Amino acid sequence: LAKTTQPISMDSYEGQEVNITCSHNNIATNDYITWYQQFPSQGPRFIIQGYKTKVTNEVASLFIPADRKSSTLSLPRVSLSDTAVYYCLVGDIRKLGTGRRALTFGSGTRLQVQP
Amino acid sequence: DTEVTQTPKHLVMGMTNKKSLKCEQHMGHRAMYWYKQKAKKPPELMFVYSYEKLSINESVPSRFSPECPNSSLLNLHLHALQPEDSALYLCASSQGAAGEENIQYFGAGTRLSVL
Repeated sequence: LAKTTQPISMDSYEGQEVNITCSHNNIATNDYITWYQQFPSQGPRFIIQGYKTKVTNEVASLFIPADRKSSTLSLPRVSLSDTAVYYCLVGDIRKLGTGRRALTFGSGTRLQVQP
Repeated sequence: DTEVTQTPKHLVMGMTNKKSLKCEQHMGHRAMYWYKQKAKKPPELMFVYSYEKLSINESVPSRFSPECPNSSLLNLHLHALQPEDSALYLCASSQGAAGEENIQYFGAGTRLSVL
């Protein structure tokens, strides 16, 4: 079972780059790393997913070192609307039904973006 | 369309009531999930359906009873709940257990209050 650890909170200012790190020392070989954003009273929204090295999409980048024991979500030039809770999720949906826990959310990082 | 629709958005029920939460997706996903989320905590996995069959029950009390009538619908039947069951209940779906697509798409949730 991959236990994940994230900083409880982070503060930033508009226009800055924000990096949020998630530790997952016990990540399994087939586990993916997925990051979600959640606003109050809404469901989590997919941001980015990766397995190793670096992944980039139109909203974020995900850096995963060779040992895969941590990952860093990078949000370029944040705005006030990026104020939210960010979760990393480690697991492999393909393990579902095997009797082993396959999905572990981190405790979440509350990002506050100031003007 | 990456939408998962949950109804109702809010629900207040007494401890002797019977109610149901509903979830619907039309993305052709074959895996569907129920999560429970308490305030300022990450989502906790409750149940997983894969190809309309219950594949995971994370030791959830029997007062919660899931049902998957078809590949697009997921219900959560509630009976004799306790006040501590008050939470945001989230539904999610993913392409399937066997594929490489591991992204879960979440609904907005049902805010449940048990009096």
